[in-house]
Amino acid sequence: GAVVSQHPSWVICKSGTSVKIECRSLDFQATTMFWYRQFPKQSLMLMATSNEGSKATYEQGVEKDKFLINHASLTLSTLTVTSAHPEDSSFYICSARAASGGTGELFFGEGSRLTVL
Amino acid sequence: AQSVTQPDIHITVSEGASLELRCNYSYGATPYLFWYVQSPGQGLQLLLKYFSGDTLVQGIKGFEAEFKRSQSSFNLRKPSVHWSDAAEYFCAVGGYSSASKIIFGSGTRLSIRP
Repeated sequence: GAVVSQHPSWVICKSGTSVKIECRSLDFQATTMFWYRQFPKQSLMLMATSNEGSKATYEQGVEKDKFLINHASLTLSTLTVTSAHPEDSSFYICSARAASGGTGELFFGEGSRLTVL
Repeated sequence: AQSVTQPDIHITVSEGASLELRCNYSYGATPYLFWYVQSPGQGLQLLLKYFSGDTLVQGIKGFEAEFKRSQSSFNLRKPSVHWSDAAEYFCAVGGYSSASKIIFGSGTRLSIRP
């Protein structure tokens, strides 16, 4: 089946630094990718919809200047957490659906666990 | 507005017993419904999905779900659970197009009693 790869799978950084997380669709093209955030023992909260070649669409309450999303190609979207603080520590998961055809299924990356010290 | 409700936060069943996890949704058009499972510290795995056709959907690992439009429900069932089924289960709803966002319920944590 389709595969979505996320990197890094875990990262530890100091407060104030920026962290970039990559999401790649390995065997299909994705005009749209989605970024979710998951706090421990909680559900996935949709942060933003990443659109290839255009600006991301952020959900209400998500700071666009804090969480920069770039969808540079049909197979790559990046999430940059800028000036990270301990409250940004979380599990970030990306997902993608095939650009055309397919089953409409949402394929998920393995997630990236961010810990901000 | 698009929403998903999973009323049960935590369920414990005995190994070998039957299971039903509840899911109710709100969606303005024909919904695309999913059930995902997540083991601790892991990503999500699709169990099954429904868009149209037979309202009883078969998935992996012996799971099935039934779509009931009149009740706006998509409950997940398994006739006999195994200890390895202990995990977090998420119901999700969205549209069919590749740009349609998918919203998740709050999840139900399943524990298995030996």
